[in-house]
Amino acid sequence: DAGVTQSPTHLIKTRGQQVTLRCSPKSGHDTVSWYQQALGQGPQFIFQYYEEEERQRGNFPDRFSGHQFPNYSSELNVNALLLGDSALYLCASSSRGSNQPQHFGDGTRLSIL
Amino acid sequence: AQSVSQHNHHVILSEAASLELGCNYSYGGTVNLFWYVQYPGQHLQLLLKYFSGDPLVKGIKGFEAEFIKSKFSFNLRKPSVQWSDTAEYFCAVNARDTGFQKLVFGTGTRLLVSP
Repeated sequence: DAGVTQSPTHLIKTRGQQVTLRCSPKSGHDTVSWYQQALGQGPQFIFQYYEEEERQRGNFPDRFSGHQFPNYSSELNVNALLLGDSALYLCASSSRGSNQPQHFGDGTRLSIL
Repeated sequence: AQSVSQHNHHVILSEAASLELGCNYSYGGTVNLFWYVQYPGQHLQLLLKYFSGDPLVKGIKGFEAEFIKSKFSFNLRKPSVQWSDTAEYFCAVNARDTGFQKLVFGTGTRLLVSP
């Protein structure tokens, strides 16, 4: 049991479309981070949400946006999808602070045709 | 900016062999260091972490890692691997002075243990 739940598990979209991925953090966690893991690569940090605000952002274009709700759950939105956006999108939750380990969900596999 | 290098992309071992996976990071400040493991079909799981104190840290399933500050390294070791250790292993670093946890991962090492 991961504790962090993500939906959907798999998603197929076409270029130019928009997609929304969802994440529920582990119970007791208030911070949610999103990562993109391309095939054969390690996860890359997209952004982190705490207190419903984006706190840190990685090197991703503005097409990637997110939201955190009062219950700490989060959404990742990607607009104008490109073939290169095909990847596993991972959500991780933690408690506030740099010394708190992150717990990962199973991910959403996004395929762009 | 931080970066992490994992030198071995694929490792194949027989059961009972010893394991050492290399990890080097690049960052001038204070860091937290992690090893995560991803078993086939499962999510990333924390294997062990180093925040401060004893540079030799022990994790789950008999794994350990040693932080050598002068070498910017955090190598993962296990004296005797089992078939069930077949997985992908990721080293990650977080800059502690930011106050937030933004993990920077290496590209991973795929370990195959043959019975």
